[in-house]
Amino acid sequence: DTGVSQNPRHKITKRGQNVTFRCDPISEHNRLYWYRQTLGQGPEFLTYFQNEAQLEKSRLLSDRFSAERPKGSFSTLEIQRTEQGDSAMYLCASSFAGAGANVLTFGAGSRLTVL
Amino acid sequence: DAKTTQPPSMDCAEGRAANLPCNHSTISGNEYVYWYRQIHSQGPQYIIHGLKNNETNEMASLIITEDRKSSTLILPHATLRDTAVYYCIVRVAFSNGQNFVFGPGTRLSVLP
Repeated sequence: DTGVSQNPRHKITKRGQNVTFRCDPISEHNRLYWYRQTLGQGPEFLTYFQNEAQLEKSRLLSDRFSAERPKGSFSTLEIQRTEQGDSAMYLCASSFAGAGANVLTFGAGSRLTVL
Repeated sequence: DAKTTQPPSMDCAEGRAANLPCNHSTISGNEYVYWYRQIHSQGPQYIIHGLKNNETNEMASLIITEDRKSSTLILPHATLRDTAVYYCIVRVAFSNGQNFVFGPGTRLSVLP
């Protein structure tokens, strides 16, 4: 298993364009999370899925953001009409929801720069 | 979820033990303590977690006080590669909202 994979690693776009990030979690993990991280801050929770169901969304996830996990495997995070304030690192994590503690495994992240 | 408090930064000499404190005075009985670290430009990396007992793995040791209101992450022999931001997170198991809340963490600088 190669861990959590995120693509693309870097994306530069112009304001107003749409961007999509993909996350491939660890295969046996049923939970998938998206976080956003700006410079100097800790990661901020955006949303999470259990299998294909999106169970929780942060208030940070505006109407321009949409996340999917259509078959309970990979997930996509789309940002429509990007704004300069969307520039950040977008992190994906996965975990297996079972008994006891819930350990998240993070990917390397997708860095977005909006010009 | 209980809030955690960590010092913003710490220095440690290479080869010495790094002791990173975390206060979580409002922790409840079913909340775990997790530690993650983040090396520049990488995703957070899981280090260790515990509930009540002290824990040790190949990366670190976690010492939790008897009243569970604070804990210490110990890197026994710090190397330059341990320079990172370390996050202490308290989270209840079995919650529907498994959203780990990351604070600003402690920036550890290991000095040669």
